[in-house]
Amino acid sequence: DIQMTQSPSSLSASVGDRVTITCRASQSISSYLNWYQQKPGKAPKLLIYAASSLQSGVPSRFSGSGSGTDFTLTISSLQPEDFATYYCQQSYSTFPITFGQGTRLEIK
Amino acid sequence: EVQLVESGGGLVQPGGSLRLSCAASGFTFSDHYMDWVRQAPGKGLEWVGRTRNKANSYTTEYAASVKGRFTISRDDSKNSLYLQMNSLKTEDTAVYYCARVSTFGLVLHHDYWGQGTLVTVSS
Repeated sequence: DIQMTQSPSSLSASVGDRVTITCRASQSISSYLNWYQQKPGKAPKLLIYAASSLQSGVPSRFSGSGSGTDFTLTISSLQPEDFATYYCQQSYSTFPITFGQGTRLEIK
Repeated sequence: EVQLVESGGGLVQPGGSLRLSCAASGFTFSDHYMDWVRQAPGKGLEWVGRTRNKANSYTTEYAASVKGRFTISRDDSKNSLYLQMNSLKTEDTAVYYCARVSTFGLVLHHDYWGQGTLVTVSS
């Protein structure tokens, strides 16, 4: 299985901060990497697909980059509604599809 | 508007069975692969399995943790997805989400999710 490791596991930040979350795959996955946001008691929401493509309706302060094994999700200026848990997910050709363990973004 | 609505969750004893349903609307259900993803209380997301569309012979894939116990099926005439869960274990306790699979080139992603249904396996 392809293991996905996110760092950090938790992060405290303030409104207006620039935040970066990292996701590393245990083998190359090209650009088969997606990012999701999940708020407590809610379903995950797709933010970024194919490493860097912004899902329709998602604010432009979210961006993704990377390829191969190393990927980043960046929030350019944190807003109050961005405090949530973020997951990366690989959808490379081999099953199973796997998620990172999550990064919990909290208000400082 | 795309909507996915799960139902069928509840309390079941270890070794028991349960069938979850996911009703889809607002898109051409038959065109899409569909997945089940679960989340144990306080834990992360775990992919459960997939059913492909008719064009791909409705083939299925499963996580090793559920293979041989869970069966994914679909009824395109009813715009519905199902998850038959047998031989349930306490570790299957989770919120179960159905999710639509979409593609960007060869990159598949879950662009819409249901609200989830809670399955609790306990004696």
